Amino acid sequence: QSALTQPPSASGSPGQSVTISCTGTSSDVGRYNYVSWYQQHPGKAPKLMIYEVTKRPSGVPDRFSGSKSGITASLTVSGLQAEDEADYYCASYAGSITVFGGGTKLTVL
Amino acid sequence: EVQLVESGGGLVKPGESLRLSCAVSGLTVSNAWMNWVRQAPGKGLEWVGRIKSKASGGTVDYAAPVKGRFIISRDDSENTVHLQMNSLKSDDSGVYYCSTDYLNDGYWGQGTLVTVSS
Repeated sequence: QSALTQPPSASGSPGQSVTISCTGTSSDVGRYNYVSWYQQHPGKAPKLMIYEVTKRPSGVPDRFSGSKSGITASLTVSGLQAEDEADYYCASYAGSITVFGGGTKLTVL
Repeated sequence: EVQLVESGGGLVKPGESLRLSCAVSGLTVSNAWMNWVRQAPGKGLEWVGRIKSKASGGTVDYAAPVKGRFIISRDDSENTVHLQMNSLKSDDSGVYYCSTDYLNDGYWGQGTLVTVSS
């Protein structure tokens, strides 16, 4: 099972919106509505930002939103803030396993 | 408050074994799908395996690179999940996290560092 494909980097200025894509296959992203997104700051444990494609855990700002079309899921961060600068990983349930994306480093300019 | 605390990491030689533990408080591990995820130095997250909740059959699944070498188990009396790692390779080096997405929230431990080197 190959890793999901994410762009290695993304960037935006404060207040702008940025979208990070996550492309899988018909065996993972395309088959299940169990795509999650994690935020990881340097030296810290990952934090769940989105689960089941579009849902936000309590405490996650509504600036973060998720979507999916076919085999590609997306994370959109609106109204970028300095603290959003981090690595972002998507993950998808794929039946017996879970597969992660390679990660996207989001830079707030 | 849910807390996950990993322990057991350290420096081992290739071919040796190590057992990691994840002590959980604030939720009952037998009610949750518990994952192990690792991160090599400077690299991305890699799913290692999971043990499903009792209600989901309690089955265990593994990623291809560790299948046959790693074993995930659960100790309900200690509310702890274990990762037994055998025949360790240098590629297994990294920070190992236990995690769970439980009741619509995500919980991760602080991680424990495993270094496999001669």
